[in-house]
Amino acid sequence: AQKVTQAQTEISVVEKEDVTLDCVYETRDTTYYLFWYKQPPSGELVFLIRRNSFDEQNEISGRYSWNFQKSTSSFNFTITASQVVDSAVYFCALSEFSTGRRALTFGSGTRLQVQP
Amino acid sequence: DSGVTQTPKHLITATGQRVTLRCSPRSGDLSVYWYQQSLDQGLQFLIQYYNGEERAKGNILERFSAQQFPDLHSELNLSSLELGDSALYFCASSVEGSGELFFGEGSRLTVL
Repeated sequence: AQKVTQAQTEISVVEKEDVTLDCVYETRDTTYYLFWYKQPPSGELVFLIRRNSFDEQNEISGRYSWNFQKSTSSFNFTITASQVVDSAVYFCALSEFSTGRRALTFGSGTRLQVQP
Repeated sequence: DSGVTQTPKHLITATGQRVTLRCSPRSGDLSVYWYQQSLDQGLQFLIQYYNGEERAKGNILERFSAQQFPDLHSELNLSSLELGDSALYFCASSVEGSGELFFGEGSRLTVL
């Protein structure tokens, strides 16, 4: 069965610090997607990134970057020069391809508090 | 704005009652997913529909049921409500095969 683990329950940083959110996943499938979603205090789930299992290239989008390593089954998310607006709960998620089931399995989330 | 619409946004009801949550997917999306987010259980997948047919089932209680209508909107019915059913219920839709789910803003259910 698939599983996503976000071991960091809560992280608190001061503005402008860099912060990395860890995500470790388990799957028996060779084809799968990994995701990060952001849930700000308002409650909605905001899509940040999707990565398929064949693409291990790291990705950078502005202050956000993602490091995907199949060898360690990890898909970590780094925010550079954090800002107060980054305060939110961040979820890592996995969906398997071969089973035909596209529903995402979410980790338990990491609450990020960025202090001014 | 994800394009997924959920109503109502907030709902307060009593134990033993029944409620219906409604979801309109993004235009063109055939798949609809329902998730429950509670404090102690995190984001739990409940059920998926694709073009009117049930595609996958997650941790959905027998007291809960869902359906997807010909116009592709979906409804999640929660009956014999218990205090523990208080949660944020999300609907998401996707283009089949894309792997990416677009979430609505959620319906917050409070059972008193």
